[in-house]
Amino acid sequence: NAGVTQTPKFQVLKTGQSMTLQCAQDMNHEYMSWYRQDPGMGLRLIHYSVGAGITDQGEVPNGYNVSRSTTEDFPLRLLSAAPSQTSVYFCASSLLRDTEAFFGQGTRLTVV
Amino acid sequence: KNQVEQSPQSLIILEGKNCTLQCNYTVSPFSNLRWYKQDTGRGPVSLTIMTFSENTKSNGRYTATLDADTKQSSLHITASQLSDSASYICVVGSGRGGYNKLIFGAGTRLAVHP
Repeated sequence: NAGVTQTPKFQVLKTGQSMTLQCAQDMNHEYMSWYRQDPGMGLRLIHYSVGAGITDQGEVPNGYNVSRSTTEDFPLRLLSAAPSQTSVYFCASSLLRDTEAFFGQGTRLTVV
Repeated sequence: KNQVEQSPQSLIILEGKNCTLQCNYTVSPFSNLRWYKQDTGRGPVSLTIMTFSENTKSNGRYTATLDADTKQSSLHITASQLSDSASYICVVGSGRGGYNKLIFGAGTRLAVHP
């Protein structure tokens, strides 16, 4: 099993550009989420999904969009990149609400 | 405000020694408490998950404790190895409806030296 796969691993964007971070899981997990990790801070929830067709905002959703058309995929879209979005982004999935969350390897994004 | 505080921020120990990492939380409603290990440049990997009724759980050389009354948890690492060098993150699950939101501590960075 590949687990949770994120692409790309590194990305540099110019301010104002848009892009999509990809996340796919092959464990048939219902719950998927996106986090950002900044130095000296804990991971913060951006958006989450409890199943195909269902998404909701987390703690820091501004500037990001998500969709969940299939169980496997949960892409994160940056609409107009800003330097404040420079961060490491992690996608996670879990089978049930209270079970172990599996994380991808992360995407390091730099906005210049 | 829901918060998870970890101490120390960083720790250096010699290979073979034991260490204990601390976690205090103010999260409501409480669903579970998790410890994760994060190697540099990698995603977090789960070590333990404890519910309200559990006060200790082990995973090899890692033993987590939970005191739900004082809202404290600890992670004890026995006979440390060089591969234990990583960040250890305390995470509290807060259940609201159908989704268990995870609140992350900033982590303790552990360095194990030979």
